[in-house]
Amino acid sequence: AQKVTQAQTEISVVEKEDVTLDCVYETRDTTYYLFWYKQPPSGELVFLIRRNSFDEQNEISGRYSWNFQKSTSSFNFTITASQVVDSAVYFCALSDANNDMRFGAGTRLTVKP
Amino acid sequence: DAMVIQNPRYQVTQFGKPVTLSCSQTLNHNVMYWYQQKSSQAPKLLFHYYDKDFNNEADTPDNFQSRRPNTSFCFLDIRSPGLGDAAMYLCATLRDRGTYGYTFGSGTRLTVV
Repeated sequence: AQKVTQAQTEISVVEKEDVTLDCVYETRDTTYYLFWYKQPPSGELVFLIRRNSFDEQNEISGRYSWNFQKSTSSFNFTITASQVVDSAVYFCALSDANNDMRFGAGTRLTVKP
Repeated sequence: DAMVIQNPRYQVTQFGKPVTLSCSQTLNHNVMYWYQQKSSQAPKLLFHYYDKDFNNEADTPDNFQSRRPNTSFCFLDIRSPGLGDAAMYLCATLRDRGTYGYTFGSGTRLTVV
Protein backbone atom coordinates (compact mmCIF):
# COMPACT_ATOMS: atom_id res chain seq x y z
CA ALA A 1 0.00 0.00 0.00
CA GLN A 2 1.10 3.52 -0.66
CA LYS A 3 1.31 6.10 2.06
CA VAL A 4 2.56 9.66 2.34
CA THR A 5 3.31 11.19 5.73
CA GLN A 6 3.70 14.88 6.35
CA ALA A 7 4.37 15.01 10.06
CA GLN A 8 4.28 18.79 10.31
CA THR A 9 0.66 19.90 10.48
CA GLU A 10 1.41 23.62 10.77
CA ILE A 11 4.55 25.73 10.54
CA SER A 12 4.83 29.42 11.23
CA VAL A 13 7.88 31.46 10.27
CA VAL A 14 8.79 35.08 9.94
CA GLU A 15 9.46 36.50 6.50
CA LYS A 16 12.95 35.83 5.13
CA GLU A 17 13.43 32.74 7.25
CA ASP A 18 14.20 29.45 5.53
CA VAL A 19 11.73 26.64 6.09
CA THR A 20 11.77 22.93 5.26
CA LEU A 21 8.64 20.86 4.81
CA ASP A 22 9.10 17.16 5.41
CA CYS A 23 7.63 14.32 3.40
CA VAL A 24 8.13 10.60 3.99
CA TYR A 25 6.59 8.02 1.72
CA GLU A 26 5.97 4.28 1.58
CA THR A 27 5.53 2.20 -1.52
CA ARG A 28 6.34 -1.29 -2.75
CA ASP A 29 6.57 -0.12 -6.35
CA THR A 30 9.97 0.35 -7.95
CA THR A 31 8.55 2.91 -10.35
CA TYR A 32 6.75 5.79 -8.74
CA TYR A 33 6.45 9.55 -8.87
CA LEU A 34 6.62 12.13 -6.13
CA PHE A 35 5.00 15.54 -6.27
CA TRP A 36 4.66 18.74 -4.32
CA TYR A 37 1.58 20.91 -4.70
CA LYS A 38 0.74 24.30 -3.22
CA GLN A 39 -2.84 25.10 -2.25
CA PRO A 40 -3.42 28.80 -1.54
CA PRO A 41 -6.59 29.98 0.22
CA SER A 42 -8.40 30.18 -3.13
CA GLY A 43 -8.36 26.37 -3.21
CA GLU A 44 -6.76 25.41 -6.50
CA LEU A 45 -3.87 22.97 -6.46
CA VAL A 46 -0.73 24.46 -7.97
CA PHE A 47 1.82 21.98 -9.28
CA LEU A 48 5.35 22.67 -8.03
CA ILE A 49 7.50 19.67 -8.90
CA ARG A 50 7.49 16.03 -9.99
CA ARG A 51 10.24 13.49 -9.42
CA ASN A 52 10.39 9.92 -10.66
CA SER A 53 11.87 7.16 -8.56
CA PHE A 54 14.94 6.79 -10.78
CA ASP A 55 16.02 10.39 -10.51
CA GLU A 56 17.51 11.26 -7.14
CA GLN A 57 19.04 14.51 -8.23
CA ASN A 58 18.10 17.40 -6.03
CA GLU A 59 16.49 20.33 -7.71
CA ILE A 60 16.52 24.07 -7.19
CA SER A 61 14.04 26.47 -8.71
CA GLY A 62 14.48 30.01 -7.51
CA ARG A 63 13.79 30.04 -3.77
CA TYR A 64 12.48 26.47 -3.86
CA SER A 65 14.61 23.36 -3.53
CA TRP A 66 13.82 19.69 -3.16
CA ASN A 67 15.86 16.92 -1.55
CA PHE A 68 14.94 13.40 -2.68
CA GLN A 69 16.56 10.57 -0.72
CA LYS A 70 15.45 7.04 -1.54
CA SER A 71 17.51 5.63 1.34
CA THR A 72 15.23 7.37 3.82
CA SER A 73 12.12 7.47 1.58
CA SER A 74 11.98 11.21 1.93
CA PHE A 75 11.22 14.05 -0.45
CA ASN A 76 11.67 17.27 1.51
CA PHE A 77 10.90 20.77 0.26
CA THR A 78 12.80 23.88 1.34
CA ILE A 79 11.76 27.48 0.79
CA THR A 80 14.64 29.91 1.15
CA ALA A 81 14.00 33.48 2.27
CA SER A 82 10.28 32.87 2.74
CA GLN A 83 7.75 35.50 1.73
CA VAL A 84 4.20 36.21 2.87
CA VAL A 85 2.94 34.97 -0.51
CA ASP A 86 4.33 31.53 0.32
CA SER A 87 1.61 31.13 2.94
CA ALA A 88 -0.47 28.15 1.85
CA VAL A 89 -1.04 24.48 2.47
CA TYR A 90 1.61 22.32 0.84
CA PHE A 91 0.88 18.74 -0.14
CA CYS A 92 3.33 16.02 -0.91
CA ALA A 93 1.89 13.26 -3.13
CA LEU A 94 2.88 9.87 -4.46
CA SER A 95 1.65 8.12 -7.57
CA ASP A 96 2.33 4.62 -8.75
CA ALA A 97 2.99 3.43 -12.30
CA ASN A 98 -0.76 3.70 -12.96
CA ASN A 99 -0.57 7.33 -11.90
CA ASP A 100 -3.22 7.08 -9.19
CA MET A 101 -2.11 9.82 -6.86
CA ARG A 102 -2.24 9.72 -3.07
CA PHE A 103 -1.73 12.87 -1.05
CA GLY A 104 -0.20 13.46 2.35
CA ALA A 105 -2.22 15.30 4.96
CA GLY A 106 -0.58 18.60 4.08
CA THR A 107 1.44 21.19 5.97
CA ARG A 108 -0.05 24.62 6.55
CA LEU A 109 2.69 27.22 6.22
CA THR A 110 2.15 30.70 7.59
CA VAL A 111 4.74 33.33 6.80
CA LYS A 112 4.38 36.42 8.95
CA PRO A 113 5.63 39.83 7.86
CA ASP B 1 -5.99 28.03 -23.21
CA ALA B 2 -6.43 24.33 -22.73
CA MET B 3 -7.66 23.70 -19.24
CA VAL B 4 -9.87 21.85 -16.80
CA ILE B 5 -13.06 23.69 -15.91
CA GLN B 6 -15.28 22.89 -12.98
CA ASN B 7 -18.76 24.31 -12.65
CA PRO B 8 -20.08 25.72 -10.54
CA ARG B 9 -17.33 27.15 -8.33
CA TYR B 10 -19.67 27.09 -5.35
CA GLN B 11 -22.70 24.86 -4.95
CA VAL B 12 -25.23 24.85 -2.15
CA THR B 13 -27.60 21.91 -1.93
CA GLN B 14 -30.18 20.71 0.53
CA PHE B 15 -29.72 17.69 2.71
CA GLY B 16 -30.85 14.66 0.73
CA LYS B 17 -31.36 16.51 -2.56
CA PRO B 18 -29.40 15.03 -5.48
CA VAL B 19 -26.67 17.24 -6.83
CA THR B 20 -24.38 17.01 -9.85
CA LEU B 21 -20.98 18.59 -10.22
CA SER B 22 -19.39 18.92 -13.63
CA CYS B 23 -15.90 18.89 -15.03
CA SER B 24 -14.88 19.60 -18.59
CA GLN B 25 -11.49 19.54 -20.24
CA THR B 26 -10.09 20.82 -23.49
CA LEU B 27 -6.86 18.85 -23.16
CA ASN B 28 -8.16 15.64 -24.76
CA HIS B 29 -6.72 13.69 -21.83
CA ASN B 30 -7.68 10.05 -21.47
CA VAL B 31 -7.82 9.91 -17.69
CA MET B 32 -10.12 11.94 -15.45
CA TYR B 33 -10.14 11.85 -11.64
CA TRP B 34 -12.47 13.04 -8.92
CA TYR B 35 -11.06 13.93 -5.52
CA GLN B 36 -12.91 14.95 -2.37
CA GLN B 37 -11.16 17.36 -0.02
CA LYS B 38 -12.76 18.07 3.33
CA SER B 39 -11.73 21.03 5.40
CA SER B 40 -8.10 20.86 6.53
CA GLN B 41 -7.64 17.42 5.00
CA ALA B 42 -5.79 15.99 2.05
CA PRO B 43 -7.57 15.38 -1.25
CA LYS B 44 -8.95 11.87 -1.29
CA LEU B 45 -9.35 9.94 -4.52
CA LEU B 46 -12.97 8.91 -5.13
CA PHE B 47 -12.78 7.35 -8.59
CA HIS B 48 -11.34 7.79 -12.02
CA TYR B 49 -12.04 7.04 -15.65
CA TYR B 50 -9.40 5.65 -17.92
CA ASP B 51 -11.10 6.46 -21.19
CA LYS B 52 -14.51 4.85 -20.64
CA ASP B 53 -13.36 2.40 -17.99
CA PHE B 54 -14.64 3.36 -14.57
CA ASN B 55 -12.50 2.65 -11.50
CA ASN B 56 -13.98 3.05 -8.06
CA GLU B 57 -11.89 3.37 -4.90
CA ALA B 58 -12.86 0.68 -2.43
CA ASP B 59 -13.92 3.13 0.26
CA THR B 60 -15.91 5.52 -1.93
CA PRO B 61 -19.48 5.60 -0.58
CA ASP B 62 -22.26 4.22 -2.79
CA ASN B 63 -23.88 7.64 -2.53
CA PHE B 64 -21.32 8.87 -5.05
CA GLN B 65 -21.61 8.06 -8.72
CA SER B 66 -19.86 9.30 -11.81
CA ARG B 67 -20.56 9.56 -15.52
CA ARG B 68 -18.29 10.27 -18.43
CA PRO B 69 -20.46 10.66 -21.53
CA ASN B 70 -17.51 11.67 -23.72
CA THR B 71 -13.81 12.49 -23.49
CA SER B 72 -14.40 16.09 -22.53
CA PHE B 73 -16.92 15.80 -19.72
CA CYS B 74 -17.10 14.00 -16.42
CA PHE B 75 -19.85 14.35 -13.83
CA LEU B 76 -19.98 13.61 -10.14
CA ASP B 77 -23.44 12.73 -8.87
CA ILE B 78 -24.22 12.69 -5.17
CA ARG B 79 -27.55 10.91 -4.82
CA SER B 80 -28.47 11.95 -1.29
CA PRO B 81 -26.00 14.46 0.11
CA GLY B 82 -25.42 14.43 3.82
CA LEU B 83 -23.80 17.08 5.97
CA GLY B 84 -20.62 15.02 5.90
CA ASP B 85 -20.38 15.39 2.13
CA ALA B 86 -19.67 19.10 2.38
CA ALA B 87 -16.23 19.47 0.85
CA MET B 88 -14.20 20.81 -2.04
CA TYR B 89 -14.46 18.47 -5.04
CA LEU B 90 -11.49 18.53 -7.35
CA CYS B 91 -11.37 17.21 -10.88
CA ALA B 92 -8.04 16.31 -12.45
CA THR B 93 -6.94 14.99 -15.81
CA LEU B 94 -3.95 13.06 -17.06
CA ARG B 95 -2.98 12.59 -20.67
CA ASP B 96 -2.52 8.85 -20.37
CA ARG B 97 -1.35 6.10 -18.06
CA GLY B 98 2.41 6.11 -17.76
CA THR B 99 2.65 9.81 -18.42
CA TYR B 100 2.81 12.44 -15.75
CA GLY B 101 1.47 15.87 -15.07
CA TYR B 102 -1.97 16.04 -13.55
CA THR B 103 -3.97 19.11 -14.45
CA PHE B 104 -6.38 20.13 -11.71
CA GLY B 105 -9.50 22.21 -12.02
CA SER B 106 -10.22 25.00 -9.55
CA GLY B 107 -12.67 22.82 -7.67
CA THR B 108 -16.30 23.07 -6.64
CA ARG B 109 -16.97 23.83 -3.02
CA LEU B 110 -20.13 22.03 -1.96
CA THR B 111 -22.18 23.19 1.00
CA VAL B 112 -25.01 21.01 2.33
CA VAL B 113 -27.74 22.78 4.29
